[in-house]
Amino acid sequence: QLQLQESGPGLVRPSETLSLTCTVSGGPIRSSSYYWGWIRQPPGKGLEWIGVLYYTGNTYYNPSLKSRVTISIDTSKNQFSLRLSSVTAADTSVYYCARHDGSGSYGYWGQGILVTVSS
Amino acid sequence: QSALTQPASVSGSPGQSITISCTETSSDVGDYYYVSWYQQHPGKAPKLMIFDVSNRPSGVSNRFSGSKSGSTASLTISGLQAEDEADYYCSSYTSSSTFFGGGTKLTVL
Repeated sequence: QLQLQESGPGLVRPSETLSLTCTVSGGPIRSSSYYWGWIRQPPGKGLEWIGVLYYTGNTYYNPSLKSRVTISIDTSKNQFSLRLSSVTAADTSVYYCARHDGSGSYGYWGQGILVTVSS
Repeated sequence: QSALTQPASVSGSPGQSITISCTETSSDVGDYYYVSWYQQHPGKAPKLMIFDVSNRPSGVSNRFSGSKSGSTASLTISGLQAEDEADYYCSSYTSSSTFFGGGTKLTVL
């Protein structure tokens, strides 16, 4: 059974960079069938797509976040990562990693990690 | 403002059927062929309920069904149960982006 698990600091200071890692178990991240993505959800609000990456390193980002986002992959560790720079309080959210299949749906999700931006 | 518009809330009694709509309001959404639906209980990660407009993943109850007509996709839940009370999100996929609707809170009366 495929499992995804987010990890990283739960508190980030304003203007700094948020860094999270998603560890994938139960299947290879180096797969031609899937993309790997990040989605976030501010407290009490809806889902916001951040971006996805293919195992080759190709990435697609939400245009509204593109200037601040980097998603990368480490196939040797079966992990992929999110970096979001110059964070503000508006970036406070639960961040989810998820597997994106060919039809654009996300069938497997991590449990989510709350990241708070505060001084 | 989301490119996919959902009603903020819907409600129904146990045993009844309800339908949640998801209307494309932006050309950025693309051809709107790849529509998915997610169920989210409080404090939990979203769960995929429908993909490719009308397909159910393995393990999802056949009480959940999806359809699309023009620019509006719909999720129908039949035989409503208390456990169906949750937030529901539609999403649409293009070759380079994913869009989510604003979400609909389903209350089982």
